[in-house]
Amino acid sequence: AQRVTQPEKLLSVFKGAPVELKCNYSYSGSPELFWYVQYSRQRLQLLLRHISRESIKGFTADLNKGETSFHLKKPFAQEEDSAMYYCALYKDGNDMRFGAGTRLTVKP
Amino acid sequence: EAEVAQSPRYKITEKSQAVAFWCDPISGHATLYWYRQILGQGPELLVQFQDESVVDDSQLPKDRFSAERLKGVDSTLKIQPAELGDSAMYLCASSLFAGPNEQFFGPGTRLTVL
Repeated sequence: AQRVTQPEKLLSVFKGAPVELKCNYSYSGSPELFWYVQYSRQRLQLLLRHISRESIKGFTADLNKGETSFHLKKPFAQEEDSAMYYCALYKDGNDMRFGAGTRLTVKP
Repeated sequence: EAEVAQSPRYKITEKSQAVAFWCDPISGHATLYWYRQILGQGPELLVQFQDESVVDDSQLPKDRFSAERLKGVDSTLKIQPAELGDSAMYLCASSLFAGPNEQFFGPGTRLTVL
């Protein structure tokens, strides 16, 4: 069965420092992976997906099939990046599986 | 900007009572999802509709939960009877099509069962 693991429930960095939110997955098929974000008092929303290979708000994520990882990175964290981040895996057959999430706090 | 609407935003009920949640997806979105999010966990899919048809309800506790999307637009999720363990956030999301597409989420309904 497919599974998404976000090993860190909480992550705290200082403004301007690099940040990496880890995501590991287990899935035997060809993965479609996403990062969703929820800012305080806002809805859960898509941040980026691996297939688009975009950089959104300075964040990037690279799919590493060898390590079955899809870590989210930003070279210089900003206070407005403080939020809850969820990694998600789309499974063939219409099923999106979410990780438990990582709460990122960027301190001034 | 079009958004997914949900109501109520909060619901407090006693166990063994019936509760119902409503969701209005973004206009034109064929696919509608209901998720349950327990505190400290990620959203877990309960049921997925494609237009008015259920395409996945494998995680829906069918002895007490039911969901419908009669005209392929808005949807209702019902719990009867509610149990203490049902306390959670219930999220609705929609997407243009099924598959690995962006899902747009509503604000959620926070259910507390006493």
